[in-house]
Amino acid sequence: GAVVSQHPSRVICKSGTSVKIECRSLDFQATTMFWYRQFPKKSLMLMATSNEGSKATYEQGVEKDKFLINHASLTLSTLTVTSAHPEDSSFYICSARLISGTGELFFGEGSRLTVL
Amino acid sequence: DAKTTQPPSMDCAEGRAANLPCNHSTISGNEYVYWYRQIHSQGPQYIIHGLKNNETNEMASLIITEDRKSSTLILPHATLRDTAVYYCIVRVVETSGSRLTFGEGTQLTVNP
Repeated sequence: GAVVSQHPSRVICKSGTSVKIECRSLDFQATTMFWYRQFPKKSLMLMATSNEGSKATYEQGVEKDKFLINHASLTLSTLTVTSAHPEDSSFYICSARLISGTGELFFGEGSRLTVL
Repeated sequence: DAKTTQPPSMDCAEGRAANLPCNHSTISGNEYVYWYRQIHSQGPQYIIHGLKNNETNEMASLIITEDRKSSTLILPHATLRDTAVYYCIVRVVETSGSRLTFGEGTQLTVNP
């Protein structure tokens, strides 16, 4: 299947700093990528839909100024957690939509953010 | 997207078939059934999907009832590495967007 890569896989930062997480589709182009977050023992929660060349669409309750999303190319989307606080500590997962066929989604390995 | 209902947990003996049920009684005619699984601390992995016919691939089989209100994912010979949370999702395949909304899933534990 298609490969989606996230970097970094783990990051620890101090409160108040900003952290950037990258999501790359390695062997296909993705006009649409999705960002999820997941708390321990909980399901994935969709945060936003990232569209190449346009502004991201955020889910209700997700602060767009807090979670900046940029989708500058067909193979890269980035999520920046600005002024991170301990409550932002979570597992962040991206996915990219395969344009061909029935458009199944493939997921990255996830990035675990710990804010001290 | 239609809501799905799955049992919170299931156990299966290694080497036996694991049958994971999913109810989606409000599914629409243009909604597909997708199955993903998530092994602890990893991203979800695509398993299989279908519209109304039964489907099989190298990982699993998907059986969809004739009225499409429920489906079963079958892992024919479960191994310890199949221990994961399995998510059943129904969604419309749009030309853009194609959001996937995850429910709580089924925690499958394969026992030696």
